[in-house]
Amino acid sequence: QQQVKQSPQSLIVQKGGISIINCAYENTAFDYFPWYQQFPGKGPALLIAIRPDVSEKKEGRFTISFNKSAKQFSLHIMDSQPGDSATYFCAVTSGTYKYIFGTGTRLKVLA
Amino acid sequence: DAGVTQSPTHLIKTRGQHVTLRCSPISGHKSVSWYQQVLGQGPQFIFQYYEKEERGRGNFPDRFSARQFPNYSSELNVNALLLGDSALYLCASSHGQVYSNEQFFGPGTRLTVL
Repeated sequence: QQQVKQSPQSLIVQKGGISIINCAYENTAFDYFPWYQQFPGKGPALLIAIRPDVSEKKEGRFTISFNKSAKQFSLHIMDSQPGDSATYFCAVTSGTYKYIFGTGTRLKVLA
Repeated sequence: DAGVTQSPTHLIKTRGQHVTLRCSPISGHKSVSWYQQVLGQGPQFIFQYYEKEERGRGNFPDRFSARQFPNYSSELNVNALLLGDSALYLCASSHGQVYSNEQFFGPGTRLTVL
């Protein structure tokens, strides 16, 4: 049973455009929702995260939108740059326990 | 401050062999988690240790084992290697406490089983 579904699998965006990646989860016990960025051959790097008591969090060009009733959250990358080209993973967790990751979205930003 | 460090960077083994991977967490972090990332997929949880005790285990066979040392560093051991064990093994460091559960990943160890 897949506990978190991520879409799209791949995404191509023009430089300066907005990249949007979505995740949906099933278990309402999850209470922490991070996004990670991973470059080839590297470990995932924490990008931004949100807890369910807020509906939106913004850090620079990165924004998480959170819809608790729909059990969905999304990552928005504003003014996308070629350097943002990477694989993005959403994750869910509850308490201090394991992270459950989505399947990843390969983002390519065209110059 | 140094981030999470892992060794070795790359490793090539043959089927049936044993491997030990090492991880040093961020200074002040008491929890270490291990993940397996097969090419093209998201990381899959293997183990979590906190204060030298196993806190959780994922759906992996008993060939996988781990431990955490008094200095909070950790080892992941895999016995009787199979071709399917080829993956990037990631170590993640965290404070391990509620409301402070951000996990920071190391660069990983790339294991190839021939």
